[in-house]
Amino acid sequence: DGGITQSPKYLFRKEGQNVTLSCEQNLNHDAMYWYRQDPGQGLRLIYYSQIVNDFQKGDIAEGYSVSREKKESFPLTVTSAQKNPTAFYLCASSIEGFYNEQFFGPGTRLTVL
Amino acid sequence: DQQVKQNSPSLSVQEGRISILNCDYTNSMFDYFLWYKKYPAEGPTFLISISSIKDKNEDGRFTVFLNKSAKHLSLHIVPSQPGDSAVYFCAASESNYQLIWGAGTKLIIKP
Repeated sequence: DGGITQSPKYLFRKEGQNVTLSCEQNLNHDAMYWYRQDPGQGLRLIYYSQIVNDFQKGDIAEGYSVSREKKESFPLTVTSAQKNPTAFYLCASSIEGFYNEQFFGPGTRLTVL
Repeated sequence: DQQVKQNSPSLSVQEGRISILNCDYTNSMFDYFLWYKKYPAEGPTFLISISSIKDKNEDGRFTVFLNKSAKHLSLHIVPSQPGDSAVYFCAASESNYQLIWGAGTKLIIKP
C-alpha cells in the first residue's frame, strides 16, 4: 500500500533536548512538507522540499532543521532553540507544486516536559 | 494577520440536510483554493479544489463556490452523512507557492 508514515505517534522530550521526527513516503513524490498545528490554528509550514538535497524554509522555520538525502525520507529535527515545541506535527508529500493534492501522514504529537 | 479565515469553529447539521462551510480570505492574489477534511488522530485528506478562473467546482456530494469579488469561498455538502463529521480546512495558494490554511471548522452531523 502506498502512503506516508510518521513515527512515533507520541513523543515526550525534556526541555533542552533535540528530537528528530521521522517521515517516510513510498508514493514516489518529489515534494515533501512539514507542518505544525496548534490548537485553534491552521497548519503552518515549517520546511518544504521540492527535490532531493534541496529544501526551503516556511513561515516558522526557526528552531527546526531538516534534511532530504533520499526521495522517500524527510526527517525533522526540533532543536532546543525552538521556544515552544509542544505541538502536533504533520508531514505531507505531493507531486511537485503546492497546487497539487498533498497526502498527509497521521502526525506526531510532541510534548516537551 | 490571518489571510485565510474560517469564522465558524463548529457547525451542527441534521443528517440528510445541506452543510455549508465558509471561508474568507484577504489576499486578492490567491489563485487556487483547496478543501481538506480531517478526522481525529489522522492527517488531513484532500477533498476538492478550485482555481480562481472558475466560480464553481463539483465532485459528487461536494461543491465548492468561489466569489472573488467578496473574497469568499464555501463548501456545500449535500446530502450530509454521519461520516462527514470531521474538521474541514480551507487553504489558499498564490502562484503555486505555499498553502495558507484556515483554522478549521468542526462539522457535526446529527442523526
